[in-house]
Amino acid sequence: NAGVTQTPKFQVLKTGQSMTLQCAQDMNHNSMYWYRQDPGMGLRLIYYSASEGTTDKGEVPNGYNVSRLNKREFSLRLESAAPSQTSVYFCASKTRVLTDTQYFGPGTRLTVL
Amino acid sequence: GQQVMQIPQYQHVQEGEDFTTYCNSSTTLSNIQWYKQRPGGHPVFLIQLVKSGEVKKQKRLTFQFGEAKKNSSLHITATQTTDVGTYFCAGRKLGGSEKLVFGKGMKLTVNP
Repeated sequence: NAGVTQTPKFQVLKTGQSMTLQCAQDMNHNSMYWYRQDPGMGLRLIYYSASEGTTDKGEVPNGYNVSRLNKREFSLRLESAAPSQTSVYFCASKTRVLTDTQYFGPGTRLTVL
Repeated sequence: GQQVMQIPQYQHVQEGEDFTTYCNSSTTLSNIQWYKQRPGGHPVFLIQLVKSGEVKKQKRLTFQFGEAKKNSSLHITATQTTDVGTYFCAGRKLGGSEKLVFGKGMKLTVNP
């Protein structure tokens, strides 16, 4: 099992460009999450999907859109990137049964110039 | 909204020392979890506490959930250089949605 995978690992964008961060999990988990991590700010939730076909806003959703393509995949889109979106982005997933344990992907380091 | 605060934010210890870090929630929690993130890595799950007053141990790490289910502590005994990293607590509000709220983390450095 690969667990949670994210692509790309690194990305540099110019202000105004768009891109999609991809996330996939092979653990048959129902819930998936996108976080951003900035120095001294911990992990802040951008969007989450409690199950296939549903998405909900987290703490910092502005400037982002998400798609829960199927049970395995949850993508994060930046329509018009801004320097304030320079961050490390983590995708995570969890089962809804018995535990809230989240499994994180390796992260995408995004720089917006 | 729900807030989770960790103190201290930074901890520097000598190898072999003991220390405790704390996590406080503004609301009653369904459970609390602890994660560790090594430098350059991603958060990795350590433990989940569910019951009021619960204490769990993992080798030199002892985790405790408060009686009111609003706070938690992590105690590390005889700190080693392998303990270096950032420790996050995360909680789900009692009766809340599927999302966890993470603290800002406690960054641990160890002087060998």
